[in-house]
Amino acid sequence: AQTVTQSQPEMSVQEAETVTLSCTYDTSESNYYLFWYKQPPSRQMILVIRQEAYKQQNATENRFSVNFQKAAKSFSLKISDSQLGDTAMYFCAFMKQNFGNEKLTFGTGTRLTIIP
Amino acid sequence: NAGVMQNPRHLVRRRGQEARLRCSPMKGHSHVYWYRQLPEEGLKFMVYLQKENIIDESGMPKERFSAEFPKEGPSILRIQQVVRGDSAAYFCASSLGLAGGSTDTQYFGPGTRLTVL
Repeated sequence: AQTVTQSQPEMSVQEAETVTLSCTYDTSESNYYLFWYKQPPSRQMILVIRQEAYKQQNATENRFSVNFQKAAKSFSLKISDSQLGDTAMYFCAFMKQNFGNEKLTFGTGTRLTIIP
Repeated sequence: NAGVMQNPRHLVRRRGQEARLRCSPMKGHSHVYWYRQLPEEGLKFMVYLQKENIIDESGMPKERFSAEFPKEGPSILRIQQVVRGDSAAYFCASSLGLAGGSTDTQYFGPGTRLTVL
Protein backbone atom coordinates (compact mmCIF):
# COMPACT_ATOMS: atom_id res chain seq x y z
CA ALA A 1 0.00 0.00 0.00
CA GLN A 2 1.05 3.54 -0.68
CA THR A 3 1.38 6.26 1.92
CA VAL A 4 1.72 10.00 1.50
CA THR A 5 3.11 12.22 4.25
CA GLN A 6 2.84 15.97 4.55
CA SER A 7 4.79 17.01 7.61
CA GLN A 8 3.76 20.68 7.68
CA PRO A 9 0.21 21.04 9.01
CA GLU A 10 0.27 24.83 8.64
CA MET A 11 2.39 27.45 6.93
CA SER A 12 2.12 31.16 6.38
CA VAL A 13 4.03 33.54 4.15
CA GLN A 14 3.90 37.17 3.15
CA GLU A 15 2.30 38.05 -0.13
CA ALA A 16 4.74 38.01 -3.08
CA GLU A 17 7.17 35.70 -1.29
CA THR A 18 8.05 32.16 -2.27
CA VAL A 19 6.93 29.17 -0.25
CA THR A 20 7.71 25.47 -0.49
CA LEU A 21 5.38 22.72 0.72
CA SER A 22 6.89 19.33 1.39
CA CYS A 23 5.56 15.88 0.58
CA THR A 24 7.11 12.45 0.88
CA TYR A 25 5.63 9.14 -0.16
CA ASP A 26 6.30 5.49 0.19
CA THR A 27 5.67 2.95 -2.54
CA SER A 28 7.14 -0.15 -4.11
CA GLU A 29 5.78 0.82 -7.53
CA SER A 30 8.14 2.06 -10.20
CA ASN A 31 5.51 3.72 -12.39
CA TYR A 32 3.17 6.23 -10.86
CA TYR A 33 1.92 9.80 -10.89
CA LEU A 34 2.03 12.52 -8.28
CA PHE A 35 -0.32 15.44 -7.89
CA TRP A 36 -0.86 18.58 -5.89
CA TYR A 37 -4.45 19.62 -5.31
CA LYS A 38 -5.61 22.88 -3.77
CA GLN A 39 -8.72 23.19 -1.60
CA PRO A 40 -9.68 26.83 -0.97
CA PRO A 41 -12.32 27.83 1.60
CA SER A 42 -14.98 26.99 -0.99
CA ARG A 43 -13.93 23.34 -0.48
CA GLN A 44 -13.62 22.69 -4.22
CA MET A 45 -10.68 20.40 -5.04
CA ILE A 46 -8.60 22.03 -7.77
CA LEU A 47 -5.73 20.35 -9.58
CA VAL A 48 -2.58 22.46 -9.29
CA ILE A 49 0.08 20.33 -10.95
CA ARG A 50 0.95 16.74 -11.79
CA GLN A 51 4.16 14.80 -12.37
CA GLU A 52 4.77 11.52 -14.16
CA ALA A 53 7.36 9.49 -12.28
CA TYR A 54 9.12 8.39 -15.46
CA LYS A 55 9.86 12.01 -16.37
CA GLN A 56 13.04 13.46 -14.93
CA GLN A 57 12.05 17.01 -15.73
CA ASN A 58 10.16 18.77 -12.96
CA ALA A 59 6.65 19.92 -13.86
CA THR A 60 5.81 23.63 -13.87
CA GLU A 61 2.52 25.52 -14.18
CA ASN A 62 2.98 29.27 -14.17
CA ARG A 63 3.93 30.22 -10.58
CA PHE A 64 3.78 26.61 -9.40
CA SER A 65 6.64 24.17 -9.78
CA VAL A 66 7.68 20.91 -8.20
CA ASN A 67 10.94 19.42 -7.03
CA PHE A 68 10.59 15.71 -7.73
CA GLN A 69 13.30 13.52 -6.21
CA LYS A 70 12.38 9.96 -7.15
CA ALA A 71 15.16 8.23 -5.24
CA ALA A 72 14.30 10.14 -2.09
CA LYS A 73 10.54 9.75 -2.75
CA SER A 74 10.07 13.45 -2.28
CA PHE A 75 7.68 15.73 -4.16
CA SER A 76 7.66 19.34 -2.94
CA LEU A 77 5.59 22.19 -4.33
CA LYS A 78 7.05 25.65 -4.77
CA ILE A 79 4.76 28.64 -5.12
CA SER A 80 6.49 31.75 -6.42
CA ASP A 81 5.21 35.31 -6.06
CA SER A 82 2.48 34.10 -3.72
CA GLN A 83 -0.93 35.75 -3.97
CA LEU A 84 -3.82 36.10 -1.54
CA GLY A 85 -5.81 33.69 -3.67
CA ASP A 86 -3.26 30.98 -2.94
CA THR A 87 -4.60 30.73 0.60
CA ALA A 88 -5.94 27.18 0.82
CA MET A 89 -5.33 23.63 1.98
CA TYR A 90 -2.84 21.88 -0.27
CA PHE A 91 -2.93 18.11 -0.66
CA CYS A 92 -0.26 15.93 -2.16
CA ALA A 93 -1.58 12.78 -3.84
CA PHE A 94 -0.22 9.56 -5.34
CA MET A 95 -1.66 7.42 -8.11
CA LYS A 96 -0.29 4.08 -9.22
CA GLN A 97 0.05 3.75 -12.98
CA ASN A 98 -2.11 0.97 -14.27
CA PHE A 99 -3.93 -0.23 -17.34
CA GLY A 100 -7.11 1.48 -16.43
CA ASN A 101 -7.49 3.84 -13.60
CA GLU A 102 -6.39 3.98 -10.05
CA LYS A 103 -7.48 5.67 -6.89
CA LEU A 104 -5.70 8.68 -5.46
CA THR A 105 -3.99 8.37 -2.08
CA PHE A 106 -3.86 11.73 -0.32
CA GLY A 107 -1.70 13.20 2.38
CA THR A 108 -3.23 14.99 5.34
CA GLY A 109 -2.71 18.41 3.84
CA THR A 110 -0.91 21.67 4.57
CA ARG A 111 -2.94 24.77 5.42
CA LEU A 112 -1.27 27.69 3.66
CA THR A 113 -2.10 31.27 4.57
CA ILE A 114 -0.87 34.18 2.49
CA ILE A 115 -0.52 37.31 4.62
CA PRO A 116 -1.23 40.67 2.97
CA ASN B 1 -17.79 22.20 -20.82
CA ALA B 2 -19.48 21.77 -17.48
CA GLY B 3 -17.42 20.34 -14.69
CA VAL B 4 -18.31 17.53 -12.33
CA MET B 5 -21.69 18.20 -10.75
CA GLN B 6 -22.75 17.04 -7.34
CA ASN B 7 -26.04 17.48 -5.56
CA PRO B 8 -27.16 18.31 -3.09
CA ARG B 9 -24.35 20.54 -1.86
CA HIS B 10 -25.58 20.23 1.70
CA LEU B 11 -27.64 17.42 3.16
CA VAL B 12 -28.95 17.10 6.69
CA ARG B 13 -30.25 13.78 7.95
CA ARG B 14 -31.31 12.43 11.30
CA ARG B 15 -29.79 9.25 12.63
CA GLY B 16 -31.35 6.21 10.98
CA GLN B 17 -32.40 7.98 7.79
CA GLU B 18 -31.02 7.35 4.32
CA ALA B 19 -28.73 9.70 2.42
CA ARG B 20 -28.46 9.74 -1.38
CA LEU B 21 -25.65 11.68 -2.97
CA ARG B 22 -25.54 12.26 -6.71
CA CYS B 23 -22.66 12.85 -9.07
CA SER B 24 -22.76 13.72 -12.76
CA PRO B 25 -19.31 13.33 -14.33
CA MET B 26 -17.81 15.71 -16.83
CA LYS B 27 -19.07 15.26 -20.35
CA GLY B 28 -17.29 12.36 -22.01
CA HIS B 29 -15.97 10.93 -18.75
CA SER B 30 -16.89 7.33 -18.05
CA HIS B 31 -15.04 6.74 -14.79
CA VAL B 32 -16.26 7.94 -11.41
CA TYR B 33 -14.57 7.92 -8.02
CA TRP B 34 -16.03 8.70 -4.60
CA TYR B 35 -13.92 10.05 -1.73
CA ARG B 36 -14.80 11.00 1.82
CA GLN B 37 -13.23 13.83 3.78
CA LEU B 38 -13.71 13.82 7.53
CA PRO B 39 -13.26 17.16 9.33
CA GLU B 40 -9.64 18.34 9.34
CA GLU B 41 -8.48 15.29 7.37
CA GLY B 42 -7.45 14.46 3.82
CA LEU B 43 -9.62 12.69 1.30
CA LYS B 44 -9.98 8.92 1.58
CA PHE B 45 -10.91 6.74 -1.38
CA MET B 46 -14.19 4.88 -1.17
CA VAL B 47 -15.16 3.39 -4.52
CA TYR B 48 -14.35 3.47 -8.23
CA LEU B 49 -17.02 2.81 -10.82
CA GLN B 50 -17.41 2.62 -14.55
CA LYS B 51 -20.77 2.54 -16.27
CA GLU B 52 -22.78 -0.30 -14.71
CA ASN B 53 -19.69 -1.75 -13.01
CA ILE B 54 -18.00 -1.41 -9.65
CA ILE B 55 -14.27 -1.69 -10.29
CA ASP B 56 -12.82 -1.13 -6.84
CA GLU B 57 -14.79 -0.78 -3.61
CA SER B 58 -11.92 -1.46 -1.25
CA GLY B 59 -12.51 1.82 0.62
CA MET B 60 -16.21 1.35 1.19
CA PRO B 61 -17.47 0.40 4.64
CA LYS B 62 -18.85 -3.12 4.50
CA GLU B 63 -22.28 -2.19 5.77
CA ARG B 64 -24.80 0.55 4.99
CA PHE B 65 -22.85 2.04 2.06
CA SER B 66 -23.47 1.29 -1.60
CA ALA B 67 -22.72 2.94 -4.92
CA GLU B 68 -23.91 2.64 -8.47
CA PHE B 69 -23.25 4.22 -11.84
CA PRO B 70 -26.09 3.23 -14.18
CA LYS B 71 -25.97 3.27 -17.95
CA GLU B 72 -28.12 6.40 -17.89
CA GLY B 73 -28.05 9.06 -15.22
CA PRO B 74 -25.72 10.10 -12.44
CA SER B 75 -23.67 8.00 -10.07
CA ILE B 76 -25.32 7.54 -6.69
CA LEU B 77 -23.67 7.02 -3.33
CA ARG B 78 -26.23 5.69 -0.89
CA ILE B 79 -25.83 5.56 2.87
CA GLN B 80 -28.49 3.68 4.77
CA GLN B 81 -29.32 4.21 8.45
CA VAL B 82 -26.89 7.09 8.82
CA VAL B 83 -24.98 7.61 12.06
CA ARG B 84 -23.22 10.70 13.39
CA GLY B 85 -19.86 9.32 12.26
CA ASP B 86 -21.03 9.54 8.64
CA SER B 87 -20.95 13.34 8.86
CA ALA B 88 -18.34 14.38 6.33
CA ALA B 89 -17.80 15.92 2.93
CA TYR B 90 -18.24 13.45 0.10
CA PHE B 91 -16.43 14.22 -3.13
CA CYS B 92 -16.94 12.74 -6.53
CA ALA B 93 -14.27 12.81 -9.22
CA SER B 94 -14.39 11.75 -12.84
CA SER B 95 -11.84 10.89 -15.47
CA LEU B 96 -11.71 10.07 -19.15
CA GLY B 97 -10.80 6.45 -18.63
CA LEU B 98 -7.94 6.34 -21.06
CA ALA B 99 -6.58 2.87 -21.64
CA GLY B 100 -2.97 1.76 -21.98
CA GLY B 101 -1.63 3.12 -18.72
CA SER B 102 -1.88 6.75 -19.74
CA THR B 103 -2.09 9.28 -17.00
CA ASP B 104 -5.69 10.02 -16.26
CA THR B 105 -6.29 13.06 -14.18
CA GLN B 106 -9.29 13.07 -11.89
CA TYR B 107 -11.41 16.21 -11.79
CA PHE B 108 -13.43 16.84 -8.68
CA GLY B 109 -16.91 18.07 -8.03
CA PRO B 110 -17.70 20.63 -5.33
CA GLY B 111 -18.63 17.96 -2.80
CA THR B 112 -21.70 17.19 -0.71
CA ARG B 113 -21.49 18.07 2.95
CA LEU B 114 -23.51 15.56 4.94
CA THR B 115 -24.53 16.42 8.48
CA VAL B 116 -26.15 13.77 10.64
CA LEU B 117 -28.09 15.08 13.61
